[in-house]
Amino acid sequence: SQTIHQWPATLVQPVGSPLSLECTVEGTSNPNLYWYRQAAGRGLQLLFYSVGIGQISSEVPQNLSASRPQDRQFILSSKKLLLSDSGFYLCACNWGYGANVLTFGAGSRLTVL
Amino acid sequence: DAKTTQPTSMDCAEGRAANLPCNHSTISGNEYVYWYRQIHSQGPQYIIHGLKNNETNEMASLIITEDRKSSTLILPHATLRDTAVYYCIVENYGGATNKLIFGTGTLLAVQP
Repeated sequence: SQTIHQWPATLVQPVGSPLSLECTVEGTSNPNLYWYRQAAGRGLQLLFYSVGIGQISSEVPQNLSASRPQDRQFILSSKKLLLSDSGFYLCACNWGYGANVLTFGAGSRLTVL
Repeated sequence: DAKTTQPTSMDCAEGRAANLPCNHSTISGNEYVYWYRQIHSQGPQYIIHGLKNNETNEMASLIITEDRKSSTLILPHATLRDTAVYYCIVENYGGATNKLIFGTGTLLAVQP
């Protein structure tokens, strides 16, 4: 079964600073990868997904970007953070053409001050 | 946008069955219904999914109405550890892959 590693687990950043959240996957190859964000007290919002190296689809316009430099690596970035970027960021994966069963990482909690 | 409607919150007594409803009246014929849950400050956890037939696994049962416009997730013997937000999701087709768009879910509080 797959395992997702996310880091850092927690970070506090000032407004205007850059951001890099990393996600790596073990136990599978050619996964579909997803970034979700959960604002305080809200549901999960799909931000980006990727079906292969270098292939990124954005679901909502925003201050963030994503990259997939390797098959099992997914990175979420920002050049200048906004207060509204605060939230709980979750990386997820699935694979193959079967059921859409996502495995989630433990998440990265970002606070922008 | 999420294609499902769920109650905001529900209570259940420990040891009793928890029945969580979900409406998905615009579901298409080949779209699956998925259920996930999220315990506070953790990533969501897959529970079960189905298309037409009722499904059961070690965690829960899923009952889908014949017209597929609604479903119910059943936790047969709820425990305190089942307190979580439960998400009912219909796959979103389009783009490079099918996506799961989460709504706000139902907060299930299991009471001792």
